[in-house]
This record gives sequence, C-alpha cells and structure tokens, in this order.
Amino acid sequence: SQTIHQWPATLVQPVGSPLSLECTVEGTSNPNLYWYRQAAGRGLQLLFYSVGIGQISSEVPQNLSASRPQDRQFILSSKKLLLSDSGFYLCAWSPGRYSPLHFGNGTRLTVT
Amino acid sequence: AQSVTQLGSHVSVSEGALVLLRCNYSSSVPPYLFWYVQYPNQGLQLLLKYTSAATLVKGINGFEAEFKKSETSFHLTKPSAHMSDAAEYFCAVTLFSGGYNKLIFGAGTRLAVHP
Repeated sequence: SQTIHQWPATLVQPVGSPLSLECTVEGTSNPNLYWYRQAAGRGLQLLFYSVGIGQISSEVPQNLSASRPQDRQFILSSKKLLLSDSGFYLCAWSPGRYSPLHFGNGTRLTVT
Repeated sequence: AQSVTQLGSHVSVSEGALVLLRCNYSSSVPPYLFWYVQYPNQGLQLLLKYTSAATLVKGINGFEAEFKKSETSFHLTKPSAHMSDAAEYFCAVTLFSGGYNKLIFGAGTRLAVHP
C-alpha cells in the first residue's frame, strides 16, 4: 500500500533562517505531488504542485520554493523565513487526474 | 472557475444527534467532490468522494453525502454523532488542468460534539 511521510512534525525557526521540509511517497510511481499551507483563519492554500521530476508549478508568488529531485520526493524550501511563513504545511500525493489527494501528517512551522 | 462554500464555520451537536455539514460548489464542468476530516495537528483524511457515479455516496465512519446538481450542493450527514466525530471538516472540488488535478477547498467547518 502507499504511504506518505513528512518531516519534521514540528519546527521552530528564527526569522531570516533557511527552511527545508521533506516529503516522500512510498508504494507508487510517478505520483502528482502537492504542497499546501494551512494558516490560521485562511483555510488550505495550494502552494506548489508537480507532475514529474523537475516539473514544479507555483500557485502563488511568495518566499518559498519547491523541488522534486526524485520521483517520489518533494521538498519545500526557503532561503530566509518571514514571520508570515508560519503555518501548518501539508504534503499530498495523487495517483492520477481523477483521483483524490492523500495527505501526510503535516509540519507545524513557527517562525519567531 | 471552481469554488466551494461551506456554510457555518462552527457546528455544535449533541451526542447521538444528526450531523449536517453544508457544502455548495461552483463548477463549469461536472465536478468531482470530496469531503475530508482533520483532527488536531494531523493531516487530512479522505471521508468520501463523488466522481459522477451514484449521487448518494457513503464514506467512512458512518458519514454519507448526497450530490444534488439542481442545488449545486454536496452536504455531509451522519445520523448519530459520536464524541470522536469532533474535528474540522473540509469540502473540496477538483480543478482539472492538463495531466493533473488540484483540489480547491472550502474554509472548513469545525464540528463540536457535546454529551
């Protein structure tokens, strides 16, 4: 069966520090991958999605970037964190165009 | 453009009472619709999905939803609430683009269940 792993579960970082969140999927190949952010009072916002290695699409301009160095690995990064980057970050995968998304357990990021 | 509206950011019911969480969608094409549940500090778990087959969809944990095209609705129901149903619930519609799909989420409804 397929599983999705996200880490770390929680992270506290100072303003201006770099960020790297990792997500991996097991048990499938060539998944569609997604990064969502859930901020207080703002619902779920799609940040990035990827349909293949090296193929990244950004939904909103911001301080973050994403990369997909391997088929089942999706990384969310920032060179310098802002206070507004605080939130709950969720990675998700989908096997195909007509399938639901399956989410990881999320990373709670607090920028201080 | 596809969008989802969830009516009521907070719903409170008694244990054993009917649960009704409302979702209305907007879509220019036949929609794929989903309900997800989120427990505190966890990811989203798929409850059920509508993908143009039966209009009454049964999901996990005793939940079901009915797709009503005439009302553009996809409300989530459960006949008898349990304390463990307390969580946040999200309705979502699929936006298709090229070879992938994106989920557009509603703002969520927090369900409280009291004894």
